Amino acid sequence: DVKVTQSSRYLVKRTGEKVFLECVQDMDHENMFWYRQDPGLGLRLIYFSYDVKMKEKGDIPEGYSVSREKKERFSLILESASTNQTSMYLCASSEPGQGSWGNQPQHFGDGTRLSIL
Amino acid sequence: SQQGEEDPQALSIQEGENATMNCSYKTSINNLQWYRQNSGRGLVHLILIRSNEREKHSGRLRVTLDTSKKSSSLLITASRAADTASYFCATDVPLINDYKLSFGAGTTVTVRA
Repeated sequence: DVKVTQSSRYLVKRTGEKVFLECVQDMDHENMFWYRQDPGLGLRLIYFSYDVKMKEKGDIPEGYSVSREKKERFSLILESASTNQTSMYLCASSEPGQGSWGNQPQHFGDGTRLSIL
Repeated sequence: SQQGEEDPQALSIQEGENATMNCSYKTSINNLQWYRQNSGRGLVHLILIRSNEREKHSGRLRVTLDTSKKSSSLLITASRAADTASYFCATDVPLINDYKLSFGAGTTVTVRA
């Protein structure tokens, strides 16, 4: 089974801090994703990556950056944490999409519940 | 913006009953996926249905897809307490080199013992 591991289940940080969320997958997947999940809003895509050292902005990239130095690891960085970034953060990985057949299933970690005080 | 929207937002049923939830989307798709999320956990992929398929089964799950109405439904038969979770539909959004998924806000299902 694919395993996606997020480094922390719960994290509390202060406003203005630089925050790192780490994600590691063990299935050699090319694609990795970072989402945030807020009540009533579903999952919103922050950033994603097709391959090592590649990154693409998702729907809500402001205030975030990412790093993918190795294929198995995808890090989300909050450059200067703010209270409106308090949320559940979910990492996922997948195989590449199959041409006109679209997406492959995504495999998710258990999430990091981040509180910014 | 979200491509898929689930209906209803919440559903409460007795153990042994069936649960049905619907997903509507706005633009044409290649496939549609359903995921389950238990409280405080990540999402788990349940089933993927392609645009040229009308129905798909997996154990007690039955998914239908009507591309003419841009809608899908997920049926859970003979529900159990362990089915208590939130259920999300997700549709593919084409990008230049690949696809991304667009998730709805989910249906929260509570199965009463």
